[in-house]
Amino acid sequence: QLQLQESGPGLVKPSETLSLTCNVSGGSINRSSYYWVWIRQPPGKGLEWIGNVYYSGTAYYKPSLKSRVTISVDTSKNQFSLRLSSVSAADTAVYYCARLGDHGGSYLYWGQGSLVTVSS
Amino acid sequence: QSVLTQPPSVSGAPGQRVTISCTVSSSNIGAGYDVHWYQQLPGTAPKLLIYGNNNRPSGVPDRFSGSKSGTSASLAISGLQAEDEADYYCQSYDSSVSGSVFGGGTKLTVL
Repeated sequence: QLQLQESGPGLVKPSETLSLTCNVSGGSINRSSYYWVWIRQPPGKGLEWIGNVYYSGTAYYKPSLKSRVTISVDTSKNQFSLRLSSVSAADTAVYYCARLGDHGGSYLYWGQGSLVTVSS
Repeated sequence: QSVLTQPPSVSGAPGQRVTISCTVSSSNIGAGYDVHWYQQLPGTAPKLLIYGNNNRPSGVPDRFSGSKSGTSASLAISGLQAEDEADYYCQSYDSSVSGSVFGGGTKLTVL
């Protein structure tokens, strides 16, 4: 059974960089059938796609976040990461990692989520 | 503003049937891409309910069903139960960004 687990600081100061890692277990990240994805959810609000990364390192980002986001993959550690620079309070959210591709363009596997608060 | 539009809330009594709509407002998304549905209970990650417009993953009760026609999709829940009270999200693909887009979510209240 595939499992995804987010890890990283729960508190980030404004203007600094948010960094999260998603550890993948129960399956290899180094497979051509899937994309590895970051999705966030501000408190009390809806889901927002941040971006995808392929095992080769090719990534796609939401245009409004593109200038601040980097998603990378480390196949040797079976994990992928999110970096979001110049954060503000608007970036406070639960950040989920997920896998895209088990049933077409849907998300079958999700991490449990990691709350990141941006505050001084 | 989400390009997938859902009603903010719906409600129904136990045993009743409710539907949640998801309307596409972009020609990119409306170009035949599938719609998927998720259930999110409080404090938990979303759970895939329906994929490919009308397919249920293993373990999802057949009380949940989906449909899509043109630029509109729907999730139907029959035999409503108290544990169905949750937030529901539709999701599709936006070719203009090569990524996913979610609806704003619908809160289902079981009366």
